Amino acid sequence: GESVGLHLPTLSVQEGDNSIINCAYSNSASDYFIWYKQESGKGPQFIIDIRSNMDKRQGQRVTVLLNKTVKHLSLQIAATQPGDSAVYFCAEDTLGGGFKTIFGAGTRLFVKA
Amino acid sequence: GAVVSQHPSRVICKSGTSVKIECRSLDFQATTMFWYRQFPKQSLMLMATSNEGSKATYEQGVEKDKFLINHASLTLSTLTVTSAHPEDSSFYICSARRGTAGELFFGEGSRLTVL
Repeated sequence: GESVGLHLPTLSVQEGDNSIINCAYSNSASDYFIWYKQESGKGPQFIIDIRSNMDKRQGQRVTVLLNKTVKHLSLQIAATQPGDSAVYFCAEDTLGGGFKTIFGAGTRLFVKA
Repeated sequence: GAVVSQHPSRVICKSGTSVKIECRSLDFQATTMFWYRQFPKQSLMLMATSNEGSKATYEQGVEKDKFLINHASLTLSTLTVTSAHPEDSSFYICSARRGTAGELFFGEGSRLTVL
């Protein structure tokens, strides 16, 4: 199967600070990117997405930035809260017999109160 | 948002037995469903793409005879782990989308422990 099966890096931030989580994607032909949040023992939850014809998209407290030149995605969380503690994954839709979603390596976010 | 339900959420079985996991889209029809596997502290690994009414497409390195996938209707896909062994112990997660591309909706996952 396809994935980047690395052990998760960790980001620790103070409550109220902004968090930036980075991700490198693999396929320059991918045209749809998604950030997911996964809490322990649960399935991933959609946070925000972006298409390749955009370089920035904002949601509520979250912003996704896309740099296609270096195949880089970032997720910015404003005013991070304890409830934001989770593992965050970037994912890309890649066409291979129909679109399939491939997950990148995740980042564990710890929010200190 | 759309709801995807997985059952069972946890299953413990003896080595050599087979286990079936169900994935249902509760409020939409899912032409395509996906099965992922996740080991502790690792990312989700795509196992196969399940298309209603046709054979599943397996990712490289995933044994199709070991992991049987059936997508008999637009709302149900099943994953059967045949002759399970301890190394098959993992968190299995299904997902579904309404169309051919776009947002995936995930189930809550099924934790399989093979003794």
